[in-house]
Amino acid sequence: GNSVTQMEGPVTLSEEAFLTINCTYTATGYPSLFWYVQYPGEGLQLLLKATKADDKGSNKGFEATYRKETTSFHLEKGSVQVSDSAVYFCALSDSGGGADGLTFGKGTHLIIQP
Amino acid sequence: EAGVAQSPRYKIIEKRQSVAFWCNPISGHATLYWYQQILGQGPKLLIQFQNNGVVDDSQLPKDRFSAERLKGVDSTLKIQPAKLEDSAVYLCASSLVTSMNTEAFFGQGTRLTVV
Repeated sequence: GNSVTQMEGPVTLSEEAFLTINCTYTATGYPSLFWYVQYPGEGLQLLLKATKADDKGSNKGFEATYRKETTSFHLEKGSVQVSDSAVYFCALSDSGGGADGLTFGKGTHLIIQP
Repeated sequence: EAGVAQSPRYKIIEKRQSVAFWCNPISGHATLYWYQQILGQGPKLLIQFQNNGVVDDSQLPKDRFSAERLKGVDSTLKIQPAKLEDSAVYLCASSLVTSMNTEAFFGQGTRLTVV
């Protein structure tokens, strides 16, 4: 079956530092890949997605590239802000938008210190 | 645009009691999902509806969990009887249709504590 593995947290960085959160997956076929974010007290929100190999998803300064050869979808941001503090979830789906149900990783808690 | 509405936000019950959660999806969204998120883990899909029909309930513990979406709009998820390990956040999500590039939108969830 499908599975997602992402780096354990919490990850603590200083403001303006470079961020990488690793995510690898196991799936049959050609899944779509997603990063969701959960800010304190809020629901899950889609951050970015990629639906085929070599696609790059981007939003709010975050980027992730769908690497089929390494089955990875690592999340990066060049300069993090305190407002980026949240829990980040990597996920996959057999459909392009996640409409077939999502398989999530365990989440990575990101803490940005001023 | 109104988001996915869930109630209650919090619920505390004793083991072996029953509990029900309610979800109202975004207007016009045909697909509705229930996820279970245990502390420290990612959400796990319990059941997916397309209108009022079940698309996937392979991970729903059917001996104690049930869900319905009678008119293809709002939905209820029930647990009877509850166990300690059912303590989790129950998330409802909805999307327009099952197709490419159709994003799922999540509610804020119901936090269940079983004591």
